[in-house]
Amino acid sequence: NAGVTQTPKFQVLKTGQSMTLQCAQDMNHNSMYWYRQDPGMGLRLIYYSASEGTTDKGEVPNGYNVSRLNKREFSLRLESAAPSQTSVYFCASSESVSSYNEQFFGPGTRLTVL
Amino acid sequence: AQSVTQPDIHITVSEGASLELRCNYSYGATPYLFWYVQSPGQGLQLLLKYFSGDTLVQGIKGFEAEFKRSQSSFNLRKPSVHWSDAAEYFCAVGPNAGNMLTFGGGTRLMVKP
Repeated sequence: NAGVTQTPKFQVLKTGQSMTLQCAQDMNHNSMYWYRQDPGMGLRLIYYSASEGTTDKGEVPNGYNVSRLNKREFSLRLESAAPSQTSVYFCASSESVSSYNEQFFGPGTRLTVL
Repeated sequence: AQSVTQPDIHITVSEGASLELRCNYSYGATPYLFWYVQSPGQGLQLLLKYFSGDTLVQGIKGFEAEFKRSQSSFNLRKPSVHWSDAAEYFCAVGPNAGNMLTFGGGTRLMVKP
């Protein structure tokens, strides 16, 4: 089992460019999440998907969109990248939406916006 | 609103020495508490969690944490640190208003040979 995989691992964008971060899990989990990690600020939730076909905003959703393509895949899109979106992005999954459940994390995507 | 504070941004310890990483939280009821570790270039991995019951929790890789309600703390400890423990450690508390976790800012651990 690969667990949670993310592509790409690294990306450099210019301000205004768009891109999609891909995430897939093979653990048959219902819930998936996108976080951003910034120095000293821990992880902040951008969007989550409680189950296939649903998505909800997290703490910092502005400037992002998501798609739950199927049970396995959850993508994050930056329509017009800004330098403030320079960060490390983590995808995670869990059996269901509940802070009781362990979340399993991917290796991250390091994004730089110039 | 709940919050999590990890007062130490960086900590350096010698290999074989004991370790304590601090975590303080603000929460209205009995929280769920977690410690995650992030090794270089990797995603986060769960070390241990506390929901209820015994306040001393054992985790993987020889780590333990103690829930102290009176001090609003959930400090992580290890009696003897190994070089492979060098990583960033995150404390988290839940559930928040959205039934999600709130993460602390992290503590980066360096291990001297």
